[in-house]
Amino acid sequence: DTAVSQTPKYLVTQMGNDKSIKCEQNLGHDTMYWYKQDSKKFLKIMFSYNNKELIINETVPNRFSPKSPDKAHLNLHINSLELGDSAVYFCASSQSGSEQFFGPGTRLTVL
Amino acid sequence: AQSVTQLGSHVSVSEGALVLLRCNYSSSVPPYLFWYVQYPNQGLQLLLKYTSAATLVKGINGFEAEFKKSETSFHLTKPSAHMSDAAEYFCAVTEGGSEKLVFGKGTKLTVNP
Repeated sequence: DTAVSQTPKYLVTQMGNDKSIKCEQNLGHDTMYWYKQDSKKFLKIMFSYNNKELIINETVPNRFSPKSPDKAHLNLHINSLELGDSAVYFCASSQSGSEQFFGPGTRLTVL
Repeated sequence: AQSVTQLGSHVSVSEGALVLLRCNYSSSVPPYLFWYVQYPNQGLQLLLKYTSAATLVKGINGFEAEFKKSETSFHLTKPSAHMSDAAEYFCAVTEGGSEKLVFGKGTKLTVNP
């Protein structure tokens, strides 16, 4: 069974479009995260939710909106996509303060 | 605020040689430290973690790391490199178990036959 899963794995879209990435974890964790990995492989946290409550919100354009319908899901919606949004987006989960488990990533390409 | 510096964006070793990947951290409170590995086109996998217990931490795949507070370091080692170790390695820190994980810029390990 996949612990942290993301869909889609690849996403190619035009500038200006709106898109969503979904994440699900079956580990029973209470905290979920979104990270962005740029073309130089640098990883930076974007958001974190604990029990459906937003606890970390880094300096991210408000075109990015996370949504957590329940503890096992954290989706990322991106409005008005820009070229600079092209990256790999990773979802992760943890149980309060313990190590984070990462999903396989979603490679977003904005044309 | 905490930060992580990984010395050497690329490290190349021969198969069977010692692997040493360097990580220095900055933290205003006792840190939790992690090493993650990323194989091509995959997510990150935890190799090992330090959470204020034993300073020498053993991880998966024969890797280990030693926490040295006086040097603010957490270097990753493996006595004998294997071709399958070729990957990107990331050192990361949180402050006292907080949820915010701060990553270094990564070190790409190449293993030559």
